[in-house]
Amino acid sequence: NAGVMQNPRHLVRRRGQEARLRCSPMKGHSHVYWYRQLPEEGLKFMVYLQKENIIDESGMPKERFSAEFPKEGPSILRIQQVVRGDSAAYFCASSPYQTGGLGEQYFGPGTRLTVT
Amino acid sequence: QKEVEQDPGPLSVPEGAIVSLNCTYSNSAFQYFMWYRQYSRKGPELLMYTYSSGNKEDGRFTAQVDKSSKYISLFIRDSQPSDSATYLCAMSGKGAQKLVFGQGTRLTINP
Repeated sequence: NAGVMQNPRHLVRRRGQEARLRCSPMKGHSHVYWYRQLPEEGLKFMVYLQKENIIDESGMPKERFSAEFPKEGPSILRIQQVVRGDSAAYFCASSPYQTGGLGEQYFGPGTRLTVT
Repeated sequence: QKEVEQDPGPLSVPEGAIVSLNCTYSNSAFQYFMWYRQYSRKGPELLMYTYSSGNKEDGRFTAQVDKSSKYISLFIRDSQPSDSATYLCAMSGKGAQKLVFGQGTRLTINP
């Protein structure tokens, strides 16, 4: 059973370019979460999606960041016009459907974004 | 004040020692509590998952939750060098889905 997959693992972008990060959840999981980890800091929640729906984007910066989880294909986190402060590790997690309570979240290996 | 406080360490102990890792939190709505292990430049790996107060044991690991004190702990018995990693506590409220993480404690087990 393959785990959560993320690509690319490493991404280098110049200031002003766009970054696209992809996440394929574990088989059978319909909930996807994105977190960001800045150097020497813990993980910070960004957004929670189900297929074709954004459920909670309370952690997303208001500008330049967007996320989607289409009916077919991986979830995408998109950062437009990147700045040096966007350099971080971005982790995707997935969770199985659950009818109340909280499903465990399983994390992918992360994408390390470096903005030069 | 951060919602979840965790001593960042670093913590260094000899092989075979019992390790105690702790987090405190301020949000009384938290009901789900997790511990993750993260090796350098890897993704977090779920170790323990508990609901509400009490203890849960899995092999060498024991998770403890005290909601009245807003305090959670992870105990590692017979620690091994392979346990050297950063340990992150995480928690969530009912239905909230998003996890709130502590800063992480860097642990080193010395052979």
